[in-house]
Amino acid sequence: EAGVVQSPRYKIIEKKQPVAFWCNPISGHNTLYWYLQNLGQGPELLIRYENEEAVDDSQLPKDRFSAERLKGVDSTLKIQPAELGDSAVYLCASSLDQSSYEQYFGPGTRLTVT
Amino acid sequence: GNSVTQMEGPVTLSEEAFLTINCTYTATGYPSLFWYVQYPGEGLQLLLKATKADDKGSNKGFEATYRKETTSFHLEKGSVQVSDSAVYFCALAGYSTLTFGKGTMLLVSP
Repeated sequence: EAGVVQSPRYKIIEKKQPVAFWCNPISGHNTLYWYLQNLGQGPELLIRYENEEAVDDSQLPKDRFSAERLKGVDSTLKIQPAELGDSAVYLCASSLDQSSYEQYFGPGTRLTVT
Repeated sequence: GNSVTQMEGPVTLSEEAFLTINCTYTATGYPSLFWYVQYPGEGLQLLLKATKADDKGSNKGFEATYRKETTSFHLEKGSVQVSDSAVYFCALAGYSTLTFGKGTMLLVSP
């Protein structure tokens, strides 16, 4: 069974530039999560999808961050424009549904903003 | 709100030593509790879980017991290996998501 796939694995951009991250969850998993992981910290939830609906985006900085999950499968997280403080690892995870707390994580995208 | 507190690392041990990583939590009710492990360059992997008080989760020689009296879920292993070197995260379930601790790095030397 394929795991959660994320791309790119690494991204270096200059501040004020846009950037996008892509995630393909485990087949059949209805719930998808985007987390932010700063160095030396645990993951912090940015947004949670149930199928194609964003059901919890309370921690997503909506002035510069956006996300979508078309057709309830793949998801894209975008930052525009990026700031120096956005340098972090962006993790995608999926679970069967919202009642299952067993989340499966992708390897993450390490973003460096210069 | 929910929160998880882990002991700070790094924890440095020699191979075959006994491991304990402390984890305490604050939450309403009795949430499910988890330990995740993150190897260098990889995503988090579920190591073990416990869903109710006094449950013991175990996997790959690691164990943790859900203690509601002390609101703790300490991770233990009787004999660590070099391959156990990683960052370990304690987490609790609530509001349809997980709340993680800051992680504890374990370094095991031969």
